[in-house]
Amino acid sequence: DIQMTQSPSSLSASVGDSVTITCRASEDISNSLAWYQQKPGKAPKLLLYATSRLESGVPSRFSGSRSGADYTLTISSLQPEDFATYYCQQYYTPPFTFGPGTKVDIK
Amino acid sequence: EVNLVESGGGLVQPGGSLRLSCSASGFTVSDSYMSWVRQAPGKGLEWVSVIYSGGSTFYSDSVKGRFTISRDNSKNTLDLQINSLRVEDTAVYYCTRDAVTFGGVFEYWGQGTLISVSS
Repeated sequence: DIQMTQSPSSLSASVGDSVTITCRASEDISNSLAWYQQKPGKAPKLLLYATSRLESGVPSRFSGSRSGADYTLTISSLQPEDFATYYCQQYYTPPFTFGPGTKVDIK
Repeated sequence: EVNLVESGGGLVQPGGSLRLSCSASGFTVSDSYMSWVRQAPGKGLEWVSVIYSGGSTFYSDSVKGRFTISRDNSKNTLDLQINSLRVEDTAVYYCTRDAVTFGGVFEYWGQGTLISVSS
């Protein structure tokens, strides 16, 4: 099974900050990487897929990129509604696996 | 508009069984890739199972042999038969529909249904 790691596990930031979350796969997943946002008590929401494709309706302050085995989610100019937990997920092959999550809270 | 509504969760004893159902609207379940994803209380997301439009199914190792994913085309629902329940199966179970051209990308999610396994 492909293992996904995520860093950091949590971070504190202020409104307006730029934040970066990194995800690494245990083997090549060829850009088959999605990012989800989850708020307490709610279902996850798809933000990006194929590393950098923005889901319809998601603000452009969310972006994704890849450098080697590292996949990155960047939120530029953090907004109050962005405080949540973020998960990466590989869909290269089943079993589809998620990273452990990164909680972004208010500094 | 795509909508997914899960039902069937509840409190069950270890070793028991449950059947979850996901009622879909706005699209045809049998034409789609559909998955179940679960989340234990306070924990992360775990993919459970997928059924492809062609009927192929896959399961995570943790549920293989105990869970069965299926669909009811007449009702446009996705189901999950869960047998031999364990305490560690306690979780919110989400029904998802994959993105049309990106299988494995969970584009639409239901609100989830909670299974609690306890004696």
